[in-house]
Amino acid sequence: GAVVSQHPSWVICKSGTSVKIECRSLDFQATTMFWYRQFPKQSLMLMATSNEGSKATYEQGVEKDKFLINHASLTLSTLTVTSAHPEDSSFYICSALKTLNSGNTIYFGEGSWLTVV
Amino acid sequence: AQTVTQSQPEMSVQEAETVTLSCTYDTSENNYYLFWYKQPPSRQMILVIRQEAYKQQNATENRFSVNFQKAAKSFSLKISDSQLGDTAMYFCAFMKHGVGGSEKLVFGKGTKLTVNP
Repeated sequence: GAVVSQHPSWVICKSGTSVKIECRSLDFQATTMFWYRQFPKQSLMLMATSNEGSKATYEQGVEKDKFLINHASLTLSTLTVTSAHPEDSSFYICSALKTLNSGNTIYFGEGSWLTVV
Repeated sequence: AQTVTQSQPEMSVQEAETVTLSCTYDTSENNYYLFWYKQPPSRQMILVIRQEAYKQQNATENRFSVNFQKAAKSFSLKISDSQLGDTAMYFCAFMKHGVGGSEKLVFGKGTKLTVNP
């Protein structure tokens, strides 16, 4: 397997402030990471693909300026929710692509609950 | 575009019995990966099993096995000797074989499995 760690697990912030969520691959290097949002009782919605050393690729309908993604190293990607509003409250989860000679696998972090008050 | 269909929104099974979760997918790709992920109430996404499309042999991981029918584009998950800890949402996912961050998981809507004592 592989370990992907996400921090913080829970965060509460005031409306209008920004909050940063970190995603780390602990035992492998990940040139590609992904950020998802999950609404209650739904599947995961891909927000963006984060590539080390380059700009993230956002899915249609996801605001780039609101959800800033930085992938500055091979083991760390960050998601910053800027000027957060209550409607941004959700479960956010990251994943990292592990590439082996035997093929590719995607491992997930533990997820982060964001509550904007 | 690829699609993944899980036709069973909810299923239940008695402890120690066997249950099979269905998954079908649609793709024009020939080289790809298929996954089953488990999401317990903690919301973490846990990799259950992985199958490479070029391999004819069905993947197995302890009590979990798949029935991969490439021509039929079917990828069902069998859980043997069900345990209470298997209670979770199960997501079937497709990922095409690619490079440079083109790998994305396409998820089904999930099947909620309840294991009853």
